[in-house]
Amino acid sequence: TQTVSQSDAHVTVFEGDSVELRCNYSYGGSIYLSWYIQHHGRGLQFLLKYYSGNPVVQGVNGFEAEFSKSDSSFHLRKASVHWSDSAVYFCAVRSGYNKLTFGKGTVLLVSP
Amino acid sequence: EAAVTQSPRNKVAVTGGKVTLSCNQTNNHNNMYWYRQDTGHGLRLIHYSYGAGSTEKGDIPDGYKASRPSQENFSLILELATPSQTSVYFCASGQDSPNERLFFGHGTKLSVL
Repeated sequence: TQTVSQSDAHVTVFEGDSVELRCNYSYGGSIYLSWYIQHHGRGLQFLLKYYSGNPVVQGVNGFEAEFSKSDSSFHLRKASVHWSDSAVYFCAVRSGYNKLTFGKGTVLLVSP
Repeated sequence: EAAVTQSPRNKVAVTGGKVTLSCNQTNNHNNMYWYRQDTGHGLRLIHYSYGAGSTEKGDIPDGYKASRPSQENFSLILELATPSQTSVYFCASGQDSPNERLFFGHGTKLSVL
């Protein structure tokens, strides 16, 4: 069984700042980790995923994430945020064949 | 882009009533899912399906039933709705591969009074 923990419920930054959203997972089998974004009143949209190979994966809109087996982490980063990046971000881990377990989410607020 | 459509977008129900939430996907995905989203809990899996005629229990199935009559349609049924089932419900679909992404609908906001 795999679980995922997002330690920060809220993160506030200014436009143009860099940001890192944290995700830690428990290992119980083959690795599959992903991040999703949810804008207010909308469904979740896929950002990026990792399951093998280069531990740094690139996603849409300048997001990237780095897998670390030693730290059991899959943190999401962006070098320079825009106000439109304000949203809820969910980390997800595969918890069974074709099943995803989501973290509780991190609310990112980007101030102008 | 994969399309997942949920109906209704908003629903008010009375305690003890029956509620059916519908989901349709037009991308021929084998797998479909129902999640609920609550503050402090994130998304939790209720039921899922691997194809027409199949339904599987997720992590919080109590009080819910699911139906997958066709490849395109997946319904979530609350036979006897309770106020604790007030939530936002999301349907998702995905291809039959363990490393594939999910595509989500816009959600159904359900209030049980």
